[in-house]
Amino acid sequence: GQQLNQSPQSMFIQEGEDVSMNCTSSSIFNTWLWYKQEPGEGPVLLIALYKAGELTSNGRLTAQFGITRKDSFLNISASIPSDVGIYFCAGQDNAGNMLTFGGGTRLMVKP
Amino acid sequence: NAGVTQTPKFQVLKTGQSMTLQCAQDMNHNSMYWYRQDPGMGLRLIYYSASEGTTDKGEVPNGYNVSRLNKREFSLRLESAAPSQTSVYFCASSDQGFTEAFFGQGTRLTVV
Repeated sequence: GQQLNQSPQSMFIQEGEDVSMNCTSSSIFNTWLWYKQEPGEGPVLLIALYKAGELTSNGRLTAQFGITRKDSFLNISASIPSDVGIYFCAGQDNAGNMLTFGGGTRLMVKP
Repeated sequence: NAGVTQTPKFQVLKTGQSMTLQCAQDMNHNSMYWYRQDPGMGLRLIYYSASEGTTDKGEVPNGYNVSRLNKREFSLRLESAAPSQTSVYFCASSDQGFTEAFFGQGTRLTVV
């Protein structure tokens, strides 16, 4: 099946720092999604992107749909301890088929 | 607001045993899904039900069966559990399509 490469796999940062993570694919996607998963919980949708080049914000989170349609980026500004969790990207192709998920970026924030 | 409720939250099975994971949603969603999550691999779709009365295979359906009991409930059955099925299982639902799905809290299954 399709593969999504998500990087970095983990990050350990100081509170207040900005965070960047990305996903790349060998295939084109028409939709990119970013989820956050906290310990013991299911993933929660943070941002959905539906158009190449689209830049969308949700509070301190900003995500971009890459122009090539093969990548997406998530930035978190001024991180706080509650940002801790695993962030997943997911892509959907133009046939509206099932989502392909990345392996996740584990974010740890030091107060 | 319950959202998507999964039972049980934890389960340990012996190889060869069977069990059913239950899922119910109270959002009147049409579509429901079962995913498994393994370390470093993200989520992979096992089966889904686009609407009441229909079920379809996902990426990793082998060893599983599903039943869409009614609009609210979607169960996942392991007929003969294997250690390779040790995973965290998530049920999700959406009004339509895969993208705007709400997830349950997961069932952590260990097969020994």
